[in-house]
Amino acid sequence: DTAVSQTPKYLVTQMGNDKSIKCEQNLGHDTMYWYKQDSKKFLKIMFSYNNKELIINETVPNRFSPKSPDKAHLNLHINSLELGDSAVYFCASSQRGHGNQPQHFGDGTRLSIL
Amino acid sequence: QQQVKQSPQSLIVQKGGISIINCAYENTAFDYFPWYQQFPGKGPALLIAIRPDVSEKKEGRFTISFNKSAKQFSLHIMDSQPGDSATYFCAASFNNDMRFGAGTRLTVKP
Repeated sequence: DTAVSQTPKYLVTQMGNDKSIKCEQNLGHDTMYWYKQDSKKFLKIMFSYNNKELIINETVPNRFSPKSPDKAHLNLHINSLELGDSAVYFCASSQRGHGNQPQHFGDGTRLSIL
Repeated sequence: QQQVKQSPQSLIVQKGGISIINCAYENTAFDYFPWYQQFPGKGPALLIAIRPDVSEKKEGRFTISFNKSAKQFSLHIMDSQPGDSATYFCAASFNNDMRFGAGTRLTVKP
């Protein structure tokens, strides 16, 4: 029973293309996130949504646009892909509550730009 | 600007030894300090977490020590096993806005 699932697991595409990554969680959580892990394994938060409302929007190029159709899904659409977008993208979710809650991660989508 | 500094970058320990990973933070607003374990091809998984009102938390072989005045915290893995070989990330969070350290690649030799 996968708690946070991302598709696809691997994505290989050409520079300039537009692509989407999908994320779904079955934990009943209210908050979902997108993280980027670069080639040096550094993890950086990109976006956070709480019950379909954008909460955190880090300094990310506006080519990246998150979309949350409902609180169990948070998709990431990337326009005009660039070489520097090559990374592993992780989706995560947490329960909304008083203060911080543990975040549960998916297994990532490895994006490679040719 | 990295808000959480983690060291060492890599660590090699013999089986049965103690692994120690250190982290430091600047922002005193952080109020939740988790450690994550990541295996190749997998997402980070929560290992153990602490809040700043306690100085130590132990779960099995894993212990977090927290020094609020020094703004430092560390992970101790007792009786390290080859199966503990993974990348470990410390993190600091405020209002679910979580910032990660750069990671420590731990190798436990049999």
